[in-house]
Amino acid sequence: AQRVTQPEKLLSVFKGAPVELKCNYSYSGSPELFWYVQYSRQRLQLLLRHISRESIKGFTADLNKGETSFHLKKPFAQEEDSAMYYCALRNTDKLIFGTGTRLQVFP
Amino acid sequence: DAEITQSPRHKITETGRQVTLACHQTWNHNNMFWYRQDLGHGLRLIHYSYGVQDTNKGEVSDGYSVSRSNTEDLPLTLESAASSQTSVYFCASSENIGAGGYNEQFFGPGTRLTVL
Repeated sequence: AQRVTQPEKLLSVFKGAPVELKCNYSYSGSPELFWYVQYSRQRLQLLLRHISRESIKGFTADLNKGETSFHLKKPFAQEEDSAMYYCALRNTDKLIFGTGTRLQVFP
Repeated sequence: DAEITQSPRHKITETGRQVTLACHQTWNHNNMFWYRQDLGHGLRLIHYSYGVQDTNKGEVSDGYSVSRSNTEDLPLTLESAASSQTSVYFCASSENIGAGGYNEQFFGPGTRLTVL
C-alpha cells in the first residue's frame, strides 16, 4: 500500500540548531516526493520537491530509495521556520500526505 | 492574480443539517481536491475531480459529495452533518500531469467547520 509516515508529531529545537524532519514512504514504483509547509494562519504551500534537488529557505531533502526516506534537513534553524510540515507522495495526480510534524524553534 | 478561495471561512452548524462548502479557483486547473485536516491524521483526501463532470471518491468520502459543473468550482456537500465531521477543510487545485505541470497543488485558506 502507498503510505507516507512521519514518525514525529512535534520537534522542538533552539534557534541555530540543526533540524531533521523524518519522512518514510511506501510505494511500488518510482516515487515523486514533496514537502509542504503551513505557517501559522497561512495556507499550505509547497516547500520543495525532490526532482528539483533545490534548497528552499535553507532546507534540503534527499530521496533515499534504499531507506525509502525523504527527510527534510536544515543546518541552522530559525524562529521563522516554526510551522507544520507535511511530507507528500504523488500517486498519479493525487497526493498522499503524512500526518505532519510540527516544528517549534525556540529563541 | 490567479487564486483559490474558499467560503465560508468559518461555519457552525447542527447535526443532521446539510452544509455546502464552496471552492473557487481562477488558475484554470483541471484538477481539484478536497481534504480534511485533523490532528493526528494530517490531510486526508475526501473527493477529487480531474475535470468538468468528473468526480472521484477519496480516502474518507462517506457522508460527503461533490459536483463539478465548471472548471472553476468544486463545492463540497455534507448531506447530513455529523459531529465527526468537525474539522478544517482545504480545497486545492493543480495542473494535469499530462499538461507538463509539476503537479504542485495550490491550496485554499481553509474552512473551519464545527458540527454541534
